[in-house]
Amino acid sequence: QKEVEQDPGPLSVPEGAIVSLNCTYSNSAFQYFMWYRQYSRKGPELLMYTYSSGNKEDGRFTAQVDKSSKYISLFIRDSQPSDSATYLCAMRYTGNQFYFGTGTSLTVIP
Amino acid sequence: EAGVTQFPSHSVIEKGQTVTLRCDPISGHDNLYWYRRVMGKEIKFLLHFVKESKQDESGMPNNRFLAERTGGTYSTLKVQPAELEDSGVYFCASSYGGGGYEQYFGPGTRLTVT
Repeated sequence: QKEVEQDPGPLSVPEGAIVSLNCTYSNSAFQYFMWYRQYSRKGPELLMYTYSSGNKEDGRFTAQVDKSSKYISLFIRDSQPSDSATYLCAMRYTGNQFYFGTGTSLTVIP
Repeated sequence: EAGVTQFPSHSVIEKGQTVTLRCDPISGHDNLYWYRRVMGKEIKFLLHFVKESKQDESGMPNNRFLAERTGGTYSTLKVQPAELEDSGVYFCASSYGGGGYEQYFGPGTRLTVT
């Protein structure tokens, strides 16, 4: 069983739509939860992070962590064509290595 | 501030050859990480340096892979001899402190072994 599961998509939405991206995980020891955005031929770029459970909002982006369900989400409001990218969830526990999902490819259609 | 840089951006080699990948972390970052993404799979951890010391190399696939970090600055990852299954994108990341959430990734080196 993979440590982190993420639906690869692809996901295609019209501009202005609300996007919901999700990951589930199996290891209850995970404490740090991150969302990375990766444009084609580029490295992953940190978008949001959350420590333990709860919500965090940054502009059009909201990250949610539900540790009881081992489920994390990233919401993008008023999606823009520039949001078109692959979104990767990542998490870690006590060590320094990150555990990544496979990434969800998102296309926002103008 | 310059980001994490990696060289080369793309390398094509034949099975059995040797390849060396280089990573220059963000200046002042003591922590350096190598990850690999095989096509269709998730990004997976390879190893972690703190300055010039290997802190965790639990993700290194086998002894054909050798990572070094000279003087706690740049790092190299050598694959010798390369096998077909080594193909993928190799990412380097760096962070100021250990732990936490902020690892800054480079653009990756795409390695193709034919």
